[in-house]
Amino acid sequence: DADVTQTPRNRITKTGKRIMLECSQTKGHDRMYWYRQDPGLGLRLIYYSFDVKDINKGEISDGYSVSRQAQAKFSLSLESAIPNQTALYFCATSDLPPRTDTQYFGPGTRLTVL
Amino acid sequence: KNEVEQSPQNLTAQEGEFITINCSYSVGISALHWLQQHPGGGIVSLFMLSSGKKKHGRLIATINIQEKHSSLHITASHPRDSAVYICAVIEFVGGAQKLVFGQGTRLTINP
Repeated sequence: DADVTQTPRNRITKTGKRIMLECSQTKGHDRMYWYRQDPGLGLRLIYYSFDVKDINKGEISDGYSVSRQAQAKFSLSLESAIPNQTALYFCATSDLPPRTDTQYFGPGTRLTVL
Repeated sequence: KNEVEQSPQNLTAQEGEFITINCSYSVGISALHWLQQHPGGGIVSLFMLSSGKKKHGRLIATINIQEKHSSLHITASHPRDSAVYICAVIEFVGGAQKLVFGQGTRLTINP
């Protein structure tokens, strides 16, 4: 079984709809991240969480919110989806330094907002 | 100017060739990642390094902190190495970790 899973894998929705993307991990990591990937722009950080009580904005958090329901679960919500949020979304986890900062990525969620 | 620049953006080579992908960054970092994104979209972390050189199979990553430059080398390249390779640097901003990604290098290895 995959260590980092994302649901759904693909989603098509309409402008104005509320969407939730879910991420679960079995690695036991405290740190979790949400990124979006757009062609030609690379990966950009939306939000990150260093533990259940710690949520931080990344460089492009506007229009998004997150919830860290448990150590293993980190959800990303689009309260009112808009077409420029069409992208590939990745969840990732990492352990605490100094053990390793290596990030482990989920398979991605392809979101299309019409 | 992006904080992390990769070159080349696209690279096509023949099977067996030695491949080099470069990453330059403009900020102070604590470490640097090399990631591989497969054609299906999945991302795998290849290396994390903060100094010197690391080797894993046919892959070699080097970093020069003074010159703010890292390279990823692939020896005896194979079509299955075809992927997008992404450089990402870890910097600390206001006490928090921030990961900054390059735009990626698309590598195609022809048989």
